[in-house]
Amino acid sequence: DAKTTQPNSMESNEEEPVHLPCNHSTISGTDYIHWYRQLPSQGPEYVIHGLTSNVNNRMASLAIAEDRKSSTLILHRATLRDAAVYYCSDTGKLIFGQGTTLQVKP
Amino acid sequence: NAGVTQTPKFQVLKTGQSMTLQCAQDMNHEYMSWYRQDPGMGLRLIHYSVGAGITDQGEVPNGYNVSRSTTEDFPLRLLSAAPSQTSVYFCASRRDRGLYTEAFFGQGTRLTVV
Repeated sequence: DAKTTQPNSMESNEEEPVHLPCNHSTISGTDYIHWYRQLPSQGPEYVIHGLTSNVNNRMASLAIAEDRKSSTLILHRATLRDAAVYYCSDTGKLIFGQGTTLQVKP
Repeated sequence: NAGVTQTPKFQVLKTGQSMTLQCAQDMNHEYMSWYRQDPGMGLRLIHYSVGAGITDQGEVPNGYNVSRSTTEDFPLRLLSAAPSQTSVYFCASRRDRGLYTEAFFGQGTRLTVV
């Protein structure tokens, strides 16, 4: 299972949108794209997942490229509580890369 | 519902000792898995199970054994602890084997091997 690649860190200002990218160039045709986040000193928590079309839920939106080799997690208005490490996976077994540490500045 | 419960929360072991990390879920989930997270690093899959009686290896299975005799429990055994196994261990469960569903994680067990 090839791992996804993400930027090590990103910064955002509070109440601004955040776009977190993920590359999954070897994804198979039937695998979903999954996003989780890990707040400091906590276990990971589910954010969103999708297969081909864009997905929205109360927490975030997921934009999936047409060739499915990349995706973007969108937080529409970042809050201080969104500061976390964000992980994406392109396998059902949830094998993660190193994740992106998101810093949100007030 | 308690969700995914891991015990103990903290443990210190001496090199060569054995122990079992417990994981229990009360959601009747078929799929369960174990991860380790080294300081400042990401999550790595150790073992997983798609149902009672079925287990398989993940990315880093060496040094760990698992079994799944019931749907609720998925213990992780360290037979002879080594300092390289110092890590935070997370257990997760998902509703079904289709691997399309949301995973729920426990709060972790922080293990130090001296």
